Amino acid sequence: DIQMTQSPSSLSASVGDRVTITCRASQSVSNFINWYQQRPGKAPKLLIYLTSRLQSGVSSRFSGSGSGTDFSLTINSLQPGDSATYYCQQGDVTPCSFGQGTKLEIK
Amino acid sequence: QVQLVESGGAVVPPGRSLRLSCAISGFNFNLYGMHWVRQAPGKGLEWLAVMSFDGSHIYYGDSVKGRFTISRDNSKSTLYLQMNSLRFEDTAVYYCAKDLRGGSYSLIFESWGQGTLVTVSS
Repeated sequence: DIQMTQSPSSLSASVGDRVTITCRASQSVSNFINWYQQRPGKAPKLLIYLTSRLQSGVSSRFSGSGSGTDFSLTINSLQPGDSATYYCQQGDVTPCSFGQGTKLEIK
Repeated sequence: QVQLVESGGAVVPPGRSLRLSCAISGFNFNLYGMHWVRQAPGKGLEWLAVMSFDGSHIYYGDSVKGRFTISRDNSKSTLYLQMNSLRFEDTAVYYCAKDLRGGSYSLIFESWGQGTLVTVSS
C-alpha cells in the first residue's frame, strides 16, 4: 500500500501570508494527487484534483503542483476562513490513502 | 443541488452488525461510482470502499476487507455499508462520497455527506 506523508503537521500564519503544505508518497503516484480542506465539525471539501486542477467554485488562491512522489498545496493571501485541516490523497491505486493532515491556524 | 445524507449510525457493542445508508439527490446516481470514508475521533481520513456505477467493480481498504460490504440500490438512489463483526477501532464518523467522474470511478471525492457517527462500545 502507498503511504502518504504530509509536512508540516501544523502551522500558524497570518492573514495575507502565503503557505505551502507538502505531501510525499512512498512510491510514484504519477499526478493522481488530490487535496481536501476540512473545517472543524464539517465534511471534507475537494480543493484540487489531479495535482493542479482547481475544483469548481474553489478560490484561485489555492494551487497545487508536483509529480511522481512529491507534491505541494499553496494557499496565497490567507484569509481567516482558511483555518482548517488539509489532507492530500493519492488516487493512483486502491487502496487509496490520505496523508495524516496539516492543521492550519490563522493568527 | 447535490445532496448526500448518511444515516444508521448508532452505539453498538463489539461483535455486532450495523448497516449505514446514504441517500442521494441532485445528480444521476446511476452514473457515478460511490465511496465510503471514515474518520475516527480526532484522527485523519481513512478510505474504506468504492463501488462503480453499476456495481461491477468493488474494492475495499485492508482494515475492513472481509467484514464490511458496500452495495447500492440505483432504483432508490441509495448507497449502503453493511458492517459486521464491529470492533472498538471502528468507532468513527462515516462519510459517503460521490466520485468526481462518471462511469467507473476515479478515486476523487467530489461531494461528501455530513457523516454519521458509529460508536463501538461495551
